[in-house]
Amino acid sequence: DAMVIQNPRYQVTQFGKPVTLSCSQTLNHNVMYWYQQKSSQAPKLLFHYYDKDFNNEADTPDNFQSRRPNTSFCFLDIRSPGLGDTAMYLCATAEYSNQPQHFGDGTRLSIL
Amino acid sequence: KNQVEQSPQSLIILEGKNCTLQCNYTVSPFSNLRWYKQDTGRGPVSLTIMTFSENTKSNGRYTATLDADTKQSSLHITASQLSDSASYICVVSFWVIYQLIWGAGTKLIIKP
Repeated sequence: DAMVIQNPRYQVTQFGKPVTLSCSQTLNHNVMYWYQQKSSQAPKLLFHYYDKDFNNEADTPDNFQSRRPNTSFCFLDIRSPGLGDTAMYLCATAEYSNQPQHFGDGTRLSIL
Repeated sequence: KNQVEQSPQSLIILEGKNCTLQCNYTVSPFSNLRWYKQDTGRGPVSLTIMTFSENTKSNGRYTATLDADTKQSSLHITASQLSDSASYICVVSFWVIYQLIWGAGTKLIIKP
């Protein structure tokens, strides 16, 4: 049974057109993370929520934003995607920050 | 600078053989070390997580070791199977416990 579900699995959008990626979890975990992973690179943390507390990484681009309306759902909004934002976007959850993270299978985003 | 270095970058072995992947880190102070397996096009899956007081931990055919004095870890895979073909990523947790330092991964290919 999938525990961290990301939708859609694949998304193609035009340069500059806003896009929203979604993540849901059935684990009731406190912490939710968004990562960006480019080809053959390690995942790069964009931001995370500890419950409702939002934490943004210093080098996350300003056009990346996130929402967590409740424990189960988290969204990644890219306001004006550029060609360099083509990547796999991974959502992960953890019960607490020092616990293993459970990843979804990602959304592969292509900007044309 | 806090870094995690993995070697080799890639490895090809025959099905049934054993292999060992290496991880060296300079992260300090250290909280814990994790090994993840990432299949192509999927999210990472946690294999092991070890604190500084643990020097070995097993998960089926996967055995991770940790030497906190020399800041080295290894992941040993016994009797490899075709399904072990994946990237294996070493991740070290910094004292700011949500902050993870990711290695670049070792790409393992198992050939029949």
